[in-house]
Amino acid sequence: DVKVTQSSRYLVKRTGEKVFLECVQDMDHENMFWYRQDPGLGLRLIYFSYDVKMKEKGDIPEGYSVSREKKERFSLILESASTNQTSMYLCASSPPEGQLQPQHFGDGTRLSIL
Amino acid sequence: AQSVTQLDSQVPVFEEAPVELRCNYSSSVSVYLFWYVQYPNQGLQLLLKYLSGSTLVESINGFEAEFNKSQTSFHLRKPSVHISDTAEYFCAVSLYGGSQGNLIFGKGTKLSVKP
Repeated sequence: DVKVTQSSRYLVKRTGEKVFLECVQDMDHENMFWYRQDPGLGLRLIYFSYDVKMKEKGDIPEGYSVSREKKERFSLILESASTNQTSMYLCASSPPEGQLQPQHFGDGTRLSIL
Repeated sequence: AQSVTQLDSQVPVFEEAPVELRCNYSSSVSVYLFWYVQYPNQGLQLLLKYLSGSTLVESINGFEAEFNKSQTSFHLRKPSVHISDTAEYFCAVSLYGGSQGNLIFGKGTKLSVKP
């Protein structure tokens, strides 16, 4: 069974801090994704990566960056956290034929910026 | 641009009643269609998907969805719900030939099953 693991379930940080959210998958998937989930807005794609060291902007990349140094790990970075980045963050992965295979999600990181 | 509309943000129902969660999409190209479920404090899990073939697809826990191309809909139904079906449900589309299977999600429908 595919396992997508997000390093923290809950995280509290302060405004201006640099924040790292880590995601690891164990199925050798090429594609990895970061979403944020907010009530009434559904899931919005922040960044995705289809290979090591490759990244593409999603719908809301502002204020975020990502890193994919190894195939199994995809990190989301908040360069200077702000209160409007308080949200639930979800990581997902999928094999290369992504249209035909579902994305597998981690349990999420609930991030609070004070 | 492609979009997904879930017409109801919340659906309260009583246990053993039927339920329909509505999903409409807008796209100028053919799409693949998915329903995901999110139980409290968990990530999303795939419930069912339509790729091709029969327009009626079923999940292992009694949900079904029917792809209607003319109405651009993919409504989710269950004839008799259980308390354990309480969750948020997301409809999503992926475009034919789209890059790496990016999904476009609806805003979600919270299903609340009451005893």
